[in-house]
Amino acid sequence: SYDLTQPPSVSVSPGQTATITCSGDKLGDKFVSWYQQKPGQSPALLVYQDSKRPSGIPERFSGSNSGNTATLTISGTQPMDETDYYCQAWDSVSDHLVFGGGTKLTVL
Amino acid sequence: EVQLVQSGGGLVQPGGSLRLSCTVSGIPVSTTYMTWVRQAPGRGLEWVSIVFSEGRTYYADSVKGRFSISRDNSENTLYLQMNSLRVEDTALYYCARDVGAVTRLDAFDIWGQGTMVTVSS
Repeated sequence: SYDLTQPPSVSVSPGQTATITCSGDKLGDKFVSWYQQKPGQSPALLVYQDSKRPSGIPERFSGSNSGNTATLTISGTQPMDETDYYCQAWDSVSDHLVFGGGTKLTVL
Repeated sequence: EVQLVQSGGGLVQPGGSLRLSCTVSGIPVSTTYMTWVRQAPGRGLEWVSIVFSEGRTYYADSVKGRFSISRDNSENTLYLQMNSLRVEDTALYYCARDVGAVTRLDAFDIWGQGTMVTVSS
């Protein structure tokens, strides 16, 4: 089965740039999506097809994907950004949707 | 505006069955790509099943042969029939719609509110 690996936690100071990685074998050959999930809420799509943002998502959320690693970058991180983030991709070999294990972002 | 409203769920004994519903408004369920994702208490997101607009279906290995995804076009509703339930199926279940709507983009922008399934004796 195809696996996506995220760091369990990332810390950042307010106003700084947060970087959350997602790694998988030849991940750059796939499209990656990123979700934000706040406690008690359904996940929210932040980025799809590596770097596209749905309408309503602030420009400070951006994504990239190359080689074996996809990256979600949050510029000018705000206290409200402190929550969980998940990467996701489609594995065409197994025809399975795959999620990373999630990263808890702490803003301190 | 597209909305997904979930129903079903509850407490069931191991080996039992349950059917989850996801009523779609704003777009015909028959034309869009829909998925089920679950989240065990305190855990991450886990994909369960997907149905493509043309009807193809796929399942996670952990539920294949036990769960079945389907659509009722007249009710504009997506279903997840869950049989032979196990304790480890206990989770909050979400339905979600592909951001591409009628184009498959493998990303999901509209989510239901979630419905809890508890499997326990």
